[in-house]
Amino acid sequence: AQSVSQHNHHVILSEAASLELGCNYSYGGTVNLFWYVQYPGQHLQLLLKYFSGDPLVKGIKGFEAEFIKSKFSFNLRKPSVQWSDTAEYFCAVTPYSSASKIIFGSGTRLSIRP
Amino acid sequence: GAVVSQHPSWVICKSGTSVKIECRSLDFQATTMFWYRQFPKQSLMLMATSNEGSKATYEQGVEKDKFLINHASLTLSTLTVTSAHPEDSSFYICSATDTNTEAFFGQGTRLTVV
Repeated sequence: AQSVSQHNHHVILSEAASLELGCNYSYGGTVNLFWYVQYPGQHLQLLLKYFSGDPLVKGIKGFEAEFIKSKFSFNLRKPSVQWSDTAEYFCAVTPYSSASKIIFGSGTRLSIRP
Repeated sequence: GAVVSQHPSWVICKSGTSVKIECRSLDFQATTMFWYRQFPKQSLMLMATSNEGSKATYEQGVEKDKFLINHASLTLSTLTVTSAHPEDSSFYICSATDTNTEAFFGQGTRLTVV
């Protein structure tokens, strides 16, 4: 069965710092990969997704992620964070054959100091 | 993106009663809907997958007699928590898809059982 690991449970950064959140998945076949964000008190929003093609994916709000197949990784990055990026971030994976059955990682809480 | 609406957004019920949560796809026909449960400060756990007109497929450890799922039409799925107890208090989230390439999430329903 596929699984997703997010190694950082809570990350605290100052504004303008660079961000990288780790995500590794476990699955033997072709996968689709996602990053979702959940702002305090709000529902899940899709940040970016990778289905195929260029492994460097750009999403909304200046976020990007790189799919490295050999490392089974899909790390999320942002060069300069803002206070408004404070949220919970979830990495997720689906098998290619069932792209909508999403399995989530445990989440990383990002706190930005103003 | 497509819109998925859940109702109610929050509900408080007495222990032993049943609660029904609706998930509607507003601008597309959802052949498949998924139900998730999210505990405070934790990730989303997939509970079940429902396909229109057929019985739901439950994930391991999820009691199908306690969490009744009905997907009677292409725009509506319902989750009924039967004989609710305080430990059922949680945040329930649905997602829906029509193409099996991307799922769209509802805003979630916060259930509190007292």
